[in-house]
Amino acid sequence: DTGVSQNPRHKITKRGQNVTFRCDPISEHNRLYWYRQTLGQGPEFLTYFQNEAQLEKSRLLSDRFSAERPKGSFSTLEIQRTEQGDSAMYLCASSPVRGPNSPLHFGNGTRLTVT
Amino acid sequence: TQLLEQSPQFLSIQEGENLTVYCNSSSVFSSLQWYRQEPGEGPVLLVTVVTGGEVKKLKRLTFQFGDARKDSSLHITAAQPGDTGLYLCAGSPNTGGFKTIFGAGTRLFVKA
Repeated sequence: DTGVSQNPRHKITKRGQNVTFRCDPISEHNRLYWYRQTLGQGPEFLTYFQNEAQLEKSRLLSDRFSAERPKGSFSTLEIQRTEQGDSAMYLCASSPVRGPNSPLHFGNGTRLTVT
Repeated sequence: TQLLEQSPQFLSIQEGENLTVYCNSSSVFSSLQWYRQEPGEGPVLLVTVVTGGEVKKLKRLTFQFGDARKDSSLHITAAQPGDTGLYLCAGSPNTGGFKTIFGAGTRLFVKA
């Protein structure tokens, strides 16, 4: 168990640029989640996958955000035309398929700063 | 909307004191989980409670799930500086699917 890995750890970008983050889940975990967390708040759900299928996407997620998990392994989260309000910690988590009580295993996140 | 509300938002106590933090919802959850998060890291699972009325203990931490499965509490006995962190409750709304939502957290600071 090497844990959930996220890259990069930090990203600074100018407003209007596109950014892409990568998440490598624990290898035997079928579910993969993306969350966004701002200072002083809990993680806010963005989307989740079971294998390669994206099963749910938050209504809060604008069209500028897209996530993929093409082979059911690693996932990418892309933000197009970044805005200052996108500045946050982006967390990825994975879990095994064991029903709704499966614990989430989180990576250490990618901190995005949009200037 | 199915929200998890946590209280208090912030707690600063002296080493050795006891404390309780709460997680409440108007909706029923099939289970609730408690996580602890330190700065610059992702949340780490402490416990999952599944059965209404369930009590689980993890050393000095006691977790309780409400009878109606709408609320939970975390009690820490004799807090230590190492308990400092953000405590988050989380759950999957009882509407099908496996989305997990989080409360805003209780930030605990234990002074030596």
